Amino acid sequence: DAKTTQPPSMDCAEGRAANLPCNHSTISGNEYVYWYRQIHSQGPQYIIHGLKNNETNEMASLIITEDRKSSTLILPHATLRDTAVYYCIVHASNFGNEKLTFGTGTRLTIIP
Amino acid sequence: GAVVSQHPSWVICKSGTSVKIECRSLDFQATTMFWYRQFPKQSLMLMATSNEGSKATYEQGVEKDKFLINHASLTLSTLTVTSAHPEDSSFYICSAPGLAGELDEQFFGPGTRLTVL
Repeated sequence: DAKTTQPPSMDCAEGRAANLPCNHSTISGNEYVYWYRQIHSQGPQYIIHGLKNNETNEMASLIITEDRKSSTLILPHATLRDTAVYYCIVHASNFGNEKLTFGTGTRLTIIP
Repeated sequence: GAVVSQHPSWVICKSGTSVKIECRSLDFQATTMFWYRQFPKQSLMLMATSNEGSKATYEQGVEKDKFLINHASLTLSTLTVTSAHPEDSSFYICSAPGLAGELDEQFFGPGTRLTVL
């Protein structure tokens, strides 16, 4: 699986949009971009994933650049409960039964 | 969504004893489960893949005789830390793919915090 690079930490004001970047310049054509988050002392939680088109669900939006070398996770209206470590994972499958490799992630802090 | 539970949520034990951690898929079957370990302020590191009815697959550097994995049913995998030592103190997390892998996400348990004195 391709390596990802994320900023170690970010702050965002409550109620504003949180934009979390991820670089994956070595991504190959069959690799998906997944986002998970981990709230302190809990197990990770799936957020969203995509291949090349932008995706949106009830939690977030995922914007993938045309060359697929980077992506941005957008939390449209951040709340205090969104404070967590966010992991961007590039994975050569859209099936869940394969192991995930976690990087260091971005620690997002929502400021009241 | 699917729920994965772990038991116990935390455990404290003496050095040299063995500790068993259970991972259950509550409303779905899981032929595969994954075990991760997470040290403070670090990321999750995959330890092994648990396969129902067959031997687990361990990641490089993980001692299979120390971390015994049993996946005896489609809803239960156990991780036993044998002869635990203080350096084994960590947060252990399991995950299971939804609908036997047909869903595109994994469901994670809440984690078990192990402290070895």
